[in-house]
Amino acid sequence: DSGVTQTPKHLITATGQRVTLRCSPRSGDLSVYWYQQSLDQGLQFLIQYYNGEERAKGNILERFSAQQFPDLHSELNLSSLELGDSALYFCASSVRDRGGGELFFGEGSRLTVL
Amino acid sequence: QQQVKQSPQSLIVQKGGISIINCAYENTAFDYFPWYQQFPGKGPALLIAIRPDVSEKKEGRFTISFNKSAKQFSLHIMDSQPGDSATYFCAATASTSGTYKYIFGTGTRLKVLA
Repeated sequence: DSGVTQTPKHLITATGQRVTLRCSPRSGDLSVYWYQQSLDQGLQFLIQYYNGEERAKGNILERFSAQQFPDLHSELNLSSLELGDSALYFCASSVRDRGGGELFFGEGSRLTVL
Repeated sequence: QQQVKQSPQSLIVQKGGISIINCAYENTAFDYFPWYQQFPGKGPALLIAIRPDVSEKKEGRFTISFNKSAKQFSLHIMDSQPGDSATYFCAATASTSGTYKYIFGTGTRLKVLA
């Protein structure tokens, strides 16, 4: 158990809908990273927050947004969903605000868009 | 310049054999190179990591070889076991520069035959 909690574990929804994925980092970790894992594309970095502030952005679509709250949990919002958004979404946490330390991953939220 | 190229995409090894996975990077600001192991239905977990001030790091049956001049690093799994069957990701990040991103390779699906 990594100590990172993600909900929901599975989510099935229709195209055009909006969903929210939630992540609680390990106790004491201030950084939260979001990754998208599709079958052929490995782990694609979406966005990183540190203590409530956005620190780095990857190839995150404009339809996607995220935030980190004062209690350090984070939410990833996906809107106007398309079939291609079906993927595993992972949250990871780290004590550091920059690289060089271990990332602890949750077990992911599997999103299926029909 | 932000990419980490990983090969092979998949690998089948006999029990007791050596599994070798290779990664290459371009960004010289990267100074921390971890390998993550992912079992089906689970999030990735740190396996072993190396910094560029050493050319090799060994932990049990797992060894990272690092070639700074070639900007390449590899994971060697000695005496491979069926329990090692998983997807392996290399990654790179910078701990001192302004690059906060963790960049992952595309993954290698390893199957060790009993």
